[in-house]
Amino acid sequence: GNSVTQMEGPVTLSEEAFLTINCTYTATGYPSLFWYVQYPGEGLQLLLKATKADDKGSNKGFEATYRKETTSFHLEKGSVQVSDSAVYFCALTETSGSRLTFGEGTQLTVNP
Amino acid sequence: EPEVTQTPSHQVTQMGQEVILRCVPISNHLYFYWYRQILGQKVEFLVSFYNNEISEKSEIFDDQFSVERPDGSNFTLKIRSTKLEDSAMYFCASSGNRGGNSPLHFGNGTRLTVT
Repeated sequence: GNSVTQMEGPVTLSEEAFLTINCTYTATGYPSLFWYVQYPGEGLQLLLKATKADDKGSNKGFEATYRKETTSFHLEKGSVQVSDSAVYFCALTETSGSRLTFGEGTQLTVNP
Repeated sequence: EPEVTQTPSHQVTQMGQEVILRCVPISNHLYFYWYRQILGQKVEFLVSFYNNEISEKSEIFDDQFSVERPDGSNFTLKIRSTKLEDSAMYFCASSGNRGGNSPLHFGNGTRLTVT
C-alpha cells in the first residue's frame, strides 16, 4: 500500500534560518505529491504540489521537487518567518484515485 | 475565497451516543471527503462521496459510520454509537474533480470528544 514518512519533529528555528522538512514515500503507481499546512486553529491548506517526476512545486517561498529516483519530496524554504509556524503535512494520491495518504506532520516553530 | 465550513467546532458526547458532524462544502464542488486525526497520529482517510453515493471508504469506515448529503449543500458524517476511540479531529474536504490534479479544500475540523 501507499505510505508517506516525514522527518520527526518538532522543528524549532530562528527567523531567517533555512528550512528543510524531509518526506519520502512508497507508492504502487505514479502518485501526485502535496504539502499541506495547518496553522493554529485552522484546517489543512494546500501549500504546493507536484504531479510528475522532476516537477517543482512552489508557493510563498516554499519549494519541493518530486524526486522519483529517491522517492522523496522534501520541503525547503530559504528564510523562514515567524508566521510560518505551523504543522506541515506531506501527502500523496494516486493519479487515478482520490484518497490522500498523509505523513505524520511536522510541527515548525519559528522564533523571532 | 470560498471555503469549506464545519460545525460544530467542538462536540462532546457520551460513549454510546449518536453524533452528527456537519459540513458545507464549496458550492460547485462535486467530490466530498471525511478524514480524521486522532491526537498525535496521522490524518487518516475515512470516506469519499460522489454523485450521492460512497465512491471509496477505508477500513476505519465500518458499519457505525454513515454519510449523507441531505439537501444538496450539507454533507454529514454520522457515528451511530460512539466509542472512546472515536475521539479525534474530523476534517471535511471537497474538490472539483477526482484525482491528483484537483486539490482538496479542507474545513477547520470538528474536535469530537467521547467521554
